[in-house]
Amino acid sequence: KAGVTQTPRYLIKTRGQQVTLSCSPISGHRSVSWYQQTPGQGLQFLFEYFSETQRNKGNFPGRFSGRQFSNSRSEMNVSTLELGDSALYLCASSFRSAGDEQFFGPGTRLTVL
Amino acid sequence: EDQVTQSPEALRLQEGESSSLNCSYTVSGLRGLFWYRQDPGKGPEFLFTLYSAGEEKEKERLKATLTKKESFLHITAPKPEDSATYLCAVRNTGFQKLVFGTGTRLLVSP
Repeated sequence: KAGVTQTPRYLIKTRGQQVTLSCSPISGHRSVSWYQQTPGQGLQFLFEYFSETQRNKGNFPGRFSGRQFSNSRSEMNVSTLELGDSALYLCASSFRSAGDEQFFGPGTRLTVL
Repeated sequence: EDQVTQSPEALRLQEGESSSLNCSYTVSGLRGLFWYRQDPGKGPEFLFTLYSAGEEKEKERLKATLTKKESFLHITAPKPEDSATYLCAVRNTGFQKLVFGTGTRLLVSP
Protein backbone atom coordinates (compact mmCIF):
# COMPACT_ATOMS: atom_id res chain seq x y z
CA LYS A 1 0.00 0.00 0.00
CA ALA A 2 1.48 3.33 -1.02
CA GLY A 3 2.09 5.84 1.74
CA VAL A 4 1.27 9.51 1.92
CA THR A 5 3.01 11.52 -0.76
CA GLN A 6 3.73 15.23 -0.78
CA THR A 7 4.95 17.50 -3.54
CA PRO A 8 7.14 19.34 -3.91
CA ARG A 9 9.69 18.21 -1.32
CA TYR A 10 11.54 21.52 -1.26
CA LEU A 11 10.53 25.07 -2.07
CA ILE A 12 12.27 28.41 -1.91
CA LYS A 13 10.12 31.54 -2.12
CA THR A 14 10.49 35.20 -1.33
CA ARG A 15 8.41 37.32 1.01
CA GLY A 16 5.06 38.33 -0.39
CA GLN A 17 4.76 35.41 -2.79
CA GLN A 18 2.23 32.62 -2.45
CA VAL A 19 2.74 28.88 -2.48
CA THR A 20 0.66 25.76 -3.01
CA LEU A 21 1.58 22.40 -1.52
CA SER A 22 0.03 19.09 -2.52
CA CYS A 23 -0.73 15.90 -0.60
CA SER A 24 -2.02 12.52 -1.73
CA PRO A 25 -3.30 10.41 1.18
CA ILE A 26 -3.18 6.66 1.61
CA SER A 27 -5.79 4.99 -0.54
CA GLY A 28 -9.07 4.73 1.36
CA HIS A 29 -8.21 7.45 3.87
CA ARG A 30 -10.68 10.29 3.80
CA SER A 31 -9.22 12.57 6.46
CA VAL A 32 -6.25 14.75 5.58
CA SER A 33 -4.59 17.00 8.13
CA TRP A 34 -1.86 19.58 7.69
CA TYR A 35 0.79 20.52 10.23
CA GLN A 36 3.54 23.10 10.43
CA GLN A 37 6.74 21.95 12.12
CA THR A 38 9.41 24.35 13.32
CA PRO A 39 12.29 23.77 15.74
CA GLY A 40 10.86 26.10 18.36
CA GLN A 41 7.14 25.26 18.19
CA GLY A 42 7.13 21.62 17.21
CA LEU A 43 4.16 20.24 15.30
CA GLN A 44 1.31 22.74 15.05
CA PHE A 45 -2.08 21.70 13.67
CA LEU A 46 -3.20 23.79 10.71
CA PHE A 47 -6.46 22.18 9.58
CA GLU A 48 -8.21 18.97 8.70
CA TYR A 49 -10.28 18.11 5.65
CA PHE A 50 -12.78 15.31 5.36
CA SER A 51 -14.99 14.64 2.35
CA GLU A 52 -13.95 17.92 0.75
CA THR A 53 -14.95 19.95 3.82
CA GLN A 54 -12.76 21.66 6.37
CA ARG A 55 -13.67 20.01 9.64
CA ASN A 56 -11.18 21.50 12.10
CA LYS A 57 -8.87 24.47 12.10
CA GLY A 58 -5.88 25.46 14.22
CA ASN A 59 -4.78 28.92 15.30
CA PHE A 60 -3.23 30.18 12.09
CA PRO A 61 -4.03 33.35 10.17
CA GLY A 62 -6.30 33.38 7.15
CA ARG A 63 -3.26 33.43 4.85
CA PHE A 64 -3.19 29.68 5.38
CA SER A 65 -5.93 27.88 3.50
CA GLY A 66 -6.59 24.50 2.00
CA ARG A 67 -8.95 22.35 0.07
CA GLN A 68 -9.68 18.73 -0.61
CA PHE A 69 -10.77 17.13 -3.83
CA SER A 70 -13.22 14.31 -4.42
CA ASN A 71 -10.37 11.78 -4.61
CA SER A 72 -9.24 12.93 -1.10
CA ARG A 73 -6.13 14.62 -2.44
CA SER A 74 -5.52 17.91 -0.67
CA GLU A 75 -3.75 21.15 -1.31
CA MET A 76 -2.57 23.79 1.09
CA ASN A 77 -2.02 27.41 0.09
CA VAL A 78 -0.11 30.12 1.89
CA SER A 79 -0.49 33.64 0.56
CA THR A 80 1.66 36.70 1.21
CA LEU A 81 4.53 34.66 2.58
CA GLU A 82 6.43 35.90 5.61
CA LEU A 83 9.90 34.90 6.83
CA GLY A 84 8.30 33.12 9.78
CA ASP A 85 6.47 30.76 7.44
CA SER A 86 9.72 28.91 6.80
CA ALA A 87 9.04 25.43 8.13
CA LEU A 88 8.47 21.80 7.32
CA TYR A 89 4.85 21.33 6.26
CA LEU A 90 3.54 17.86 6.95
CA CYS A 91 0.46 16.19 5.63
CA ALA A 92 -1.09 13.27 7.47
CA SER A 93 -3.93 11.00 6.48
CA SER A 94 -6.21 8.81 8.53
CA PHE A 95 -9.27 6.71 7.87
CA ARG A 96 -11.87 8.75 9.72
CA SER A 97 -10.52 11.61 11.77
CA ALA A 98 -7.54 13.75 12.71
CA GLY A 99 -7.90 12.22 16.16
CA ASP A 100 -7.14 8.73 14.91
CA GLU A 101 -3.79 7.15 14.12
CA GLN A 102 -2.29 9.41 11.52
CA PHE A 103 0.17 8.48 8.81
CA PHE A 104 2.49 11.23 7.74
CA GLY A 105 4.07 12.10 4.45
CA PRO A 106 7.72 13.14 4.12
CA GLY A 107 6.87 16.82 4.25
CA THR A 108 7.59 19.88 2.14
CA ARG A 109 10.47 22.02 3.31
CA LEU A 110 9.53 25.67 2.63
CA THR A 111 12.17 28.37 2.89
CA VAL A 112 11.07 32.00 2.65
CA LEU A 113 13.81 34.52 1.83
CA GLU B 1 -6.03 24.06 27.23
CA ASP B 2 -4.67 20.65 26.27
CA GLN B 3 -0.93 20.41 26.74
CA VAL B 4 1.80 17.84 26.20
CA THR B 5 5.26 18.20 27.74
CA GLN B 6 8.11 15.87 26.88
CA SER B 7 11.34 15.39 28.79
CA PRO B 8 14.20 15.40 28.47
CA GLU B 9 14.57 17.58 25.36
CA ALA B 10 17.63 15.58 24.36
CA LEU B 11 19.15 12.34 25.55
CA ARG B 12 22.46 10.77 24.70
CA LEU B 13 22.95 7.06 25.43
CA GLN B 14 25.63 4.49 24.83
CA GLU B 15 24.60 1.44 22.86
CA GLY B 16 23.01 -1.00 25.28
CA GLU B 17 22.28 1.64 27.94
CA SER B 18 18.54 1.45 28.70
CA SER B 19 16.52 4.55 29.58
CA SER B 20 13.05 6.13 29.51
CA LEU B 21 11.47 9.12 27.85
CA ASN B 22 8.66 10.98 29.57
CA CYS B 23 5.47 12.49 28.21
CA SER B 24 3.21 14.32 30.65
CA TYR B 25 -0.15 15.60 29.50
CA THR B 26 -3.08 17.75 30.51
CA VAL B 27 -6.30 16.99 28.70
CA SER B 28 -9.93 16.83 29.72
CA GLY B 29 -10.68 13.16 29.26
CA LEU B 30 -7.88 11.28 27.55
CA ARG B 31 -9.09 9.45 24.47
CA GLY B 32 -5.77 8.26 23.16
CA LEU B 33 -2.06 8.90 23.56
CA PHE B 34 0.19 8.37 20.56
CA TRP B 35 3.93 7.84 20.17
CA TYR B 36 5.74 8.62 16.95
CA ARG B 37 9.33 8.39 15.80
CA GLN B 38 10.76 11.02 13.45
CA ASP B 39 14.03 10.73 11.58
CA PRO B 40 15.74 13.88 10.27
CA GLY B 41 14.12 15.20 7.11
CA LYS B 42 11.24 12.74 7.29
CA GLY B 43 7.68 12.70 8.51
CA PRO B 44 6.77 11.11 11.86
CA GLU B 45 6.30 7.35 11.85
CA PHE B 46 3.53 5.90 13.99
CA LEU B 47 4.65 3.63 16.85
CA PHE B 48 1.91 3.10 19.46
CA THR B 49 -1.52 4.16 20.66
CA LEU B 50 -2.47 3.82 24.34
CA TYR B 51 -5.99 4.38 25.62
CA SER B 52 -6.20 3.70 29.34
CA ALA B 53 -4.04 3.86 32.46
CA GLY B 54 -2.10 0.67 32.99
CA GLU B 55 -1.95 -0.19 29.31
CA GLU B 56 1.40 -1.23 27.85
CA LYS B 57 2.54 -1.88 24.28
CA GLU B 58 5.82 -3.21 22.97
CA LYS B 59 7.67 -3.16 19.70
CA GLU B 60 11.18 -4.54 19.47
CA ARG B 61 13.27 -2.57 22.00
CA LEU B 62 10.51 -0.08 22.75
CA LYS B 63 7.81 -0.32 25.39
CA ALA B 64 5.20 2.37 26.01
CA THR B 65 3.28 2.64 29.26
CA LEU B 66 0.47 4.94 30.38
CA THR B 67 -0.68 6.39 33.70
CA LYS B 68 -3.39 8.96 34.37
CA LYS B 69 -0.98 11.86 33.97
CA GLU B 70 1.95 10.63 31.89
CA SER B 71 3.36 8.09 29.52
CA PHE B 72 6.81 6.59 29.36
CA LEU B 73 8.66 5.22 26.38
CA HIS B 74 11.18 2.70 27.69
CA ILE B 75 14.09 1.84 25.42
CA THR B 76 15.87 -1.38 26.31
CA ALA B 77 19.42 -2.00 25.13
CA PRO B 78 19.21 0.68 22.41
CA LYS B 79 21.14 0.53 19.17
CA PRO B 80 22.45 3.42 17.06
CA GLU B 81 19.54 2.94 14.63
CA ASP B 82 17.16 3.93 17.45
CA SER B 83 18.53 7.47 17.21
CA ALA B 84 15.63 9.76 16.28
CA THR B 85 13.22 12.28 17.72
CA TYR B 86 10.37 10.66 19.62
CA LEU B 87 7.10 12.56 19.64
CA CYS B 88 4.16 12.13 21.96
CA ALA B 89 0.63 13.35 21.17
CA VAL B 90 -2.79 13.23 22.80
CA ARG B 91 -6.17 13.27 21.18
CA ASN B 92 -8.05 16.41 22.06
CA THR B 93 -11.43 15.20 23.35
CA GLY B 94 -13.73 17.77 21.83
CA PHE B 95 -11.78 18.93 18.86
CA GLN B 96 -10.82 15.63 17.29
CA LYS B 97 -7.23 16.51 16.59
CA LEU B 98 -3.82 15.52 17.97
CA VAL B 99 -1.84 17.84 20.24
CA PHE B 100 1.90 17.13 19.98
CA GLY B 101 4.75 17.64 22.38
CA THR B 102 8.00 19.09 21.10
CA GLY B 103 9.75 15.74 21.26
CA THR B 104 12.84 14.12 22.74
CA ARG B 105 15.92 13.89 20.53
CA LEU B 106 17.61 10.58 21.22
CA LEU B 107 21.19 9.88 20.15
CA VAL B 108 22.60 6.40 20.68
CA SER B 109 26.34 6.12 20.27
CA PRO B 110 28.09 2.84 19.36
